[in-house]
Amino acid sequence: DARVTQTPRDKVTEMGQEVTMRCQPILGHNTVFWYRQTMMQGLELLAYFRNRAPLDDSGMPKDRFSAEMPDATLATLKIQPSEPRDSAVYFCASGLVGAGINEQFFGPGTRLTVL
Amino acid sequence: KQEVTQIPAALSVPEGENLVLNCSFTDSAIYNLQWFRQDPGKGLTSLLLIQSSQREQTSGRLNASLDKSSGRSTLYIAASQPGDSATYLCAVPNSGNTPLVFGKGTRLSVIA
Repeated sequence: DARVTQTPRDKVTEMGQEVTMRCQPILGHNTVFWYRQTMMQGLELLAYFRNRAPLDDSGMPKDRFSAEMPDATLATLKIQPSEPRDSAVYFCASGLVGAGINEQFFGPGTRLTVL
Repeated sequence: KQEVTQIPAALSVPEGENLVLNCSFTDSAIYNLQWFRQDPGKGLTSLLLIQSSQREQTSGRLNASLDKSSGRSTLYIAASQPGDSATYLCAVPNSGNTPLVFGKGTRLSVIA
């Protein structure tokens, strides 16, 4: 049963600390997305990659957030330094996009709390 | 910029009722529309995907319809059960290459 996995599931940290979230997309999917969910804003796109190349990261604060895909099986989202307003659930999703297909599958999320 | 609206924001029904959740979007040039379910503290589970050329999709007690020209989709749940209680989200990309734009969701409670 192929699924997107994310680690850690929960993270509590103090303001100013570095946070790294990891995602393993479904094998064979060519596109990986990072979304953030808050009560106020709902689900919002942070960044996404196609065939490991970044296509759009306009949704995230560039001075503190960075997203990478070191290889096809791993996507990372890093926050440095973290701030209380970064507290949210961060979701990774993957999909096989193109040629008439665009269905996305979501991981369980990382719940981040910055104190 | 695509905007997605879901009405109502919350809905409470007795078990066994049929119900309809609504989703509207501002830009009708969509590639497809996806309905998700989210349980509290959990991730999103894909329920149905409707391609832009389709009018509806069915899965068990769920039926989703799409009217691109009017910018609307509905999710019909037949014979609701307490296990259907969750938040239901609809989402659209503008094309095959863009990420999803989500509505805020409808929080459904089915009372036994």
